[in-house]
Amino acid sequence: AQKVTQAQTEISVVEKEDVTLDCVYETRDTTYYLFWYKQPPSGELVFLIRRNSFDEQNEISGRYSWNFQKSTSSFNFTITASQVVDSAVYFCALRFTTSGTYKYIFGTGTRLKVLA
Amino acid sequence: GAGVSQSPSNKVTEKGKDVELRCDPISGHTALYWYRQRLGQGLEFLIYFQGNSAPDKSGLPSDRFSAERTGESVSTLTIQRTQQEDSAVYLCASSLARRGSSTDTQYFGPGTRLTVL
Repeated sequence: AQKVTQAQTEISVVEKEDVTLDCVYETRDTTYYLFWYKQPPSGELVFLIRRNSFDEQNEISGRYSWNFQKSTSSFNFTITASQVVDSAVYFCALRFTTSGTYKYIFGTGTRLKVLA
Repeated sequence: GAGVSQSPSNKVTEKGKDVELRCDPISGHTALYWYRQRLGQGLEFLIYFQGNSAPDKSGLPSDRFSAERTGESVSTLTIQRTQQEDSAVYLCASSLARRGSSTDTQYFGPGTRLTVL
């Protein structure tokens, strides 16, 4: 089965704290892609990162970092020194191929509230 | 504009009416997706268009839902005889993906918020 689990429904932190959003996935495919999207209160989904299944290097982009571990089927997202503007719903997604077409499965999202 | 656009941004309709939602993908993007997002929930895949191939309609919840795409441009999602449970935000995304391509990133539009009274 193909599945994405974001067990944390909502997280509240105080500004400047670090926070990690968890994503666990299931797939039978050997080649797949994982994504993180941000959905701010305005509603529009914003692409953050794409990672393919053959690249387990962790990535850092400013205050954002991602930890991909195939051994635990996880693709966790950490925000360092969180800011109020980071408040949003964050979605993890899995792209796999079935019958020659791409399919995406999204997690249910984690709502992050950063308090001033 | 450079992004995916959707219209209308908001639509309020009465139960039983038909509605049509429009998506303009990013120019040159061959793949187009429709998703539904109910309040406080994740994204639910509806339909996927890839170039001139037959669309993947496996996510459409009932035969009241249909979608069309003209070539690699505009797409319309039609909901017939709307029901209250159809109330949601309908999101469109496009990507450059071609069959056999190893990379694909979806870029989302702002969505259409549909309210069925």
